[in-house]
Amino acid sequence: EAQVTQNPRYLITVTGKKLTVTCSQNMNHEYMSWYRQDPGLGLRQIYYSMNVEVTDKGDVPEGYKVSRKEKRNFPLILESPSPNQTSLYFCASSPGGSYNSPLHFGNGTRLTVT
Amino acid sequence: DQQVKQNSPSLSVQEGRISILNCDYTNSMFDYFLWYKKYPAEGPTFLISISSIKDKNEDGRFTVFLNKSAKHLSLHIVPSQPGDSAVYFCAASQSNTGANSKLTFGKGITLSVRP
Repeated sequence: EAQVTQNPRYLITVTGKKLTVTCSQNMNHEYMSWYRQDPGLGLRQIYYSMNVEVTDKGDVPEGYKVSRKEKRNFPLILESPSPNQTSLYFCASSPGGSYNSPLHFGNGTRLTVT
Repeated sequence: DQQVKQNSPSLSVQEGRISILNCDYTNSMFDYFLWYKKYPAEGPTFLISISSIKDKNEDGRFTVFLNKSAKHLSLHIVPSQPGDSAVYFCAASQSNTGANSKLTFGKGITLSVRP
């Protein structure tokens, strides 16, 4: 089954404790991206990657890191999480390059930073 | 500064009637628009899209209308069904940047379809 898989689905952590949210897609998509969803703010892009070793900042990249060492994986790293990073995070992928190839989203990771 | 605006946070309609979800944008460079639907505990899923060279795109019960001069688009669902109850996100992009590289979303509208 074609899918985007995020892990974990739920995560509670404390301020300053480094964490990684994994994202993997099995559709051989070139493009991958991370979004956060917050009440009243909708979906905002954190980082995106057009291909292996190619990443760029989205609208809200502060406090986050990403890497794209292989095509299928695009982990989101929070080196020193803070409470304002409490949010619902979504990873997404698409074949890329054509604007009529919509994003496929994972089921989300709900992160709470205390 | 919200470039894609969904000003109504929620909409409630009777089953069988039409649902009209509105979306406005401010960036005149946007030329491709999409609607995504999201159920609780799931990721958004693509619903329908429209290019700025068109003013209407239809897919079954879903039709998206685009009014470029007004920078406004709307999603019509006819007839509405209880299973359509979800959050609907409007999104916009510029095709000349490789559209998906910069997809801007609205805040979303929660649609409730009453049986």
